[in-house]
Formats: sequence, C-alpha cells, structure tokens
Amino acid sequence: DAGITQSPRYKITETGRQVTLMCHQTWSHSYMFWYRQDLGHGLRLIYYSAAADITDKGEVPDGYVVSRSKTENFPLTLESATRSQTSVYFCASRGFGNQPQHFGDGTRLSIL
Amino acid sequence: QKEVEQDPGPLSVPEGAIVSLNCTYSNSAFQYFMWYRQYSRKGPELLMYTYSSGNKEDGRFTAQVDKSSKYISLFIRDSQPSDSATYLCVSGSARQLTFGSGTQLTVLP
Repeated sequence: DAGITQSPRYKITETGRQVTLMCHQTWSHSYMFWYRQDLGHGLRLIYYSAAADITDKGEVPDGYVVSRSKTENFPLTLESATRSQTSVYFCASRGFGNQPQHFGDGTRLSIL
Repeated sequence: QKEVEQDPGPLSVPEGAIVSLNCTYSNSAFQYFMWYRQYSRKGPELLMYTYSSGNKEDGRFTAQVDKSSKYISLFIRDSQPSDSATYLCVSGSARQLTFGSGTQLTVLP
C-alpha cells in the first residue's frame, strides 16, 4: 500500500549510543520532514529535505543528523543519544506547491 | 509567546454535541491553515486545510479562518465517540509549519 512508514515503532537505548530512525514513503514526494512530539511543546521540526541530497535545519536540529540519498528514504540519526532526546518522532512528506503534509505513525524512542 | 496558541482542553462533550475548537496565531505572514486529528499512538491525520479566510466545510467538519484577527476554528457537528482524539491546529508558510500543542477531545456515548 502507498504511504509513509517508520521503523522501528518502539526503541529503547542507552545514553551515548547511536540510533537511526528510518522513514520510507511510496508517493515520490519531494519534501520530507522529521518532527519530535513532546508534552507541552506540540510538534517541533528537526530537519527537512526538499529533494534528494538537499537538507536543511528546522527548529531543533542539535544532536541530530539526516541524509537523503534516495527520494523515498529520509533516515534520522542520533549520533550520541541523550535523555533529553526521549520523545516520539514523526516523519512526514508532501508534494510540490501547496500540498499538505502526511505523517507516519511515529517511533517512540526512550533513552535510559 | 508561541506562534500558534491553542485552547488547552481537555474537552469532554456528550455524543451529538457541536464542538468548537479554537486557535490563534501571531505571524501575519502565515498563509496555510490546517487541522490534524491524532489518535492515541498514531500519527497526525490531515482533517482540513485552507489557504484563505472564510469557511470550508467537509461533512460534519467546518474550518473557519479569520486572517484579520488571526483566529482559526474547527467546528464538529453531531459529534461521535469516534471523534475522540487530539486535534492539532497548524499554521505557517510554504517553508515551515507551526503546530499548536493540541486539544484533547472526548465524546461521551
């Protein structure tokens, strides 16, 4: 089925470890986004990408790295996880112009 | 001050009630206005979107935008228990969207 899928759905890891969250979309959307959702803050943009090999920082990029070698994939890496990065992470994508964003079902990440 | 402020809720109503969810934004450059619905442990799901002042209707849902007062509303008619979810108000530009913190709605059977 067409859509946007995130993996893993749940992840527990320890501080200092590297973690990569995966995002895959089948719509061939140009734009892809990573958000984190925390109580009291709503969704905050971490990074976004306008096309393959084009990425830019969002509101809260520190501690995260992204890449986009293929249009359909947009992985998010925490190079050295910290407890403050415990959150629910959502990936989204949209097409050109005024198209709205469509979200995956999230990855719930706990860092101990 | 947050750029998008949403009534915090939670809100609890009986089945069949009319629900009004409200939101304000501060940046007059914002052009896009959306409402997303989010069920527990799921991703936000697009409910309504508009790019202009006025009303937009889709079934039991009506989105209302007043750019002069920077006010966004979502009305739900004949509310159903299946409408129980968190509703996210969203506004922004082509480059970046700003999300409200969400209003949790419970519709009691």
